[in-house]
Amino acid sequence: EAQVTQNPRYLITVTGKKLTVTCSQNMNHEYMSWYRQDPGLGLRQIYYSMNVEVTDKGDVPEGYKVSRKEKRNFPLILESPSPNQTSLYFCASSFVASGGVDEQFFGPGTRLTVL
Amino acid sequence: AQSVAQPEDQVNVAEGNPLTVKCTYSVSGNPYLFWYVQYPNRGLQFLLKYITGDNLVKGSYGFEAEFNKSQTSFHLKKPSALVSDSALYFCAVRDIANRDDKIIFGKGTRLHILP
Repeated sequence: EAQVTQNPRYLITVTGKKLTVTCSQNMNHEYMSWYRQDPGLGLRQIYYSMNVEVTDKGDVPEGYKVSRKEKRNFPLILESPSPNQTSLYFCASSFVASGGVDEQFFGPGTRLTVL
Repeated sequence: AQSVAQPEDQVNVAEGNPLTVKCTYSVSGNPYLFWYVQYPNRGLQFLLKYITGDNLVKGSYGFEAEFNKSQTSFHLKKPSALVSDSALYFCAVRDIANRDDKIIFGKGTRLHILP
């Protein structure tokens, strides 16, 4: 089954404790992206990657890191989480057509709470 | 810079009536436009897209959207609403003129279909 998986699905942590949220896709997509969803703010892009070893900042990259060492994986790293990073996080992937990124496939989400 | 506006936080429609969820956009070049739907406790699902060609785009679950370049709009429509259409809907845009592949999402519109 074609899918984007994220782990963990729920995480409660404390300020300053490094964490990683994993994302994996089995569709051989070039493009992968991380978003956060907050009430009243919709989805905001954190980082995206057009292919292996290529990453770019989205609109809200501060406090986050990513890496793309393999095509299928795109982990999101919070080196020192703070309470304002409490949010619902989504990973997504897509083919890159001749004109650019096409429709995205989303993972189920990771609900993160930072105390 | 590209932007998307969904002017209504919530739309209420009686079952069986036509529905419209509004989206306007701003880009410097030509847009790629997308609609996604999010059901409770789920990730986003792709509904439809406009890249080029016919201004009326048909998508999943009986939804369609009309691209209007002069009004910079891409409203989502359905002729007859179902209770199961109740969900959160997001419009998204990518500016083809940009060399990056940032995707900008609107803040979302919550659609309530009343039985």
